[in-house]
Amino acid sequence: GDSVTQMEGPVTLSEEAFLTINCTYTATGYPSLFWYVQYPGEGLQLLLKATKADDKGSNKGFEATYRKETTSFHLEKGSVQVSDSAVYFCALSTYLGGKIIFGKGTRLHILP
Amino acid sequence: DGGITQSPKYLFRKEGQNVTLSCEQNLNHDAMYWYRQDPGQGLRLIYYSQIVNDFQKGDIAEGYSVSREKKESFPLTVTSAQKNPTAFYLCASSAGQIREGYEQYFGPGTRLTVT
Repeated sequence: GDSVTQMEGPVTLSEEAFLTINCTYTATGYPSLFWYVQYPGEGLQLLLKATKADDKGSNKGFEATYRKETTSFHLEKGSVQVSDSAVYFCALSTYLGGKIIFGKGTRLHILP
Repeated sequence: DGGITQSPKYLFRKEGQNVTLSCEQNLNHDAMYWYRQDPGQGLRLIYYSQIVNDFQKGDIAEGYSVSREKKESFPLTVTSAQKNPTAFYLCASSAGQIREGYEQYFGPGTRLTVT
């Protein structure tokens, strides 16, 4: 079945470091891909998305490119801030009832 | 502003009691979803509804029930049959549009503690 695998955390970086969180997926057809972010005690917020191969989603300095050949959607940011500390979820939509399959999440800690 | 509201933010119940979690959206979305989140785990789908008066079981529906009598409302009842109900519950909605990739919008969540 469809699934999402993302790197386990926690990931700890210093402020202004380069961030990569790896995400790979298994899916039939051509799913849309998402990155969601969850701040402590809150719901999930959509960070960025890509709906077809080679699309690049971007928002708030974060980027991810839909790579069909490697079935990947890695999240990157050139210079992280303390305020980026959160849990990040990679996800795909299955087009079956609009269901979304989430990865287990990666907790990110940014040290000042 | 359009969005999803969940109430209350924190809920405490005694074991053996049913409890209903509220979810309301004013985004005019057709589809709504309930997820459960446990510490260190991803989201697990409990129930979802693509249209009023219709809903389907997700991956962990046992011990839960839902209704969808109005487009904007999708309440979740955690019954006494749910063996481990303490968790963070998230409601989401979606316009259900292929061009949007079926992206979902989430409420702030309700943290349920059962003792």
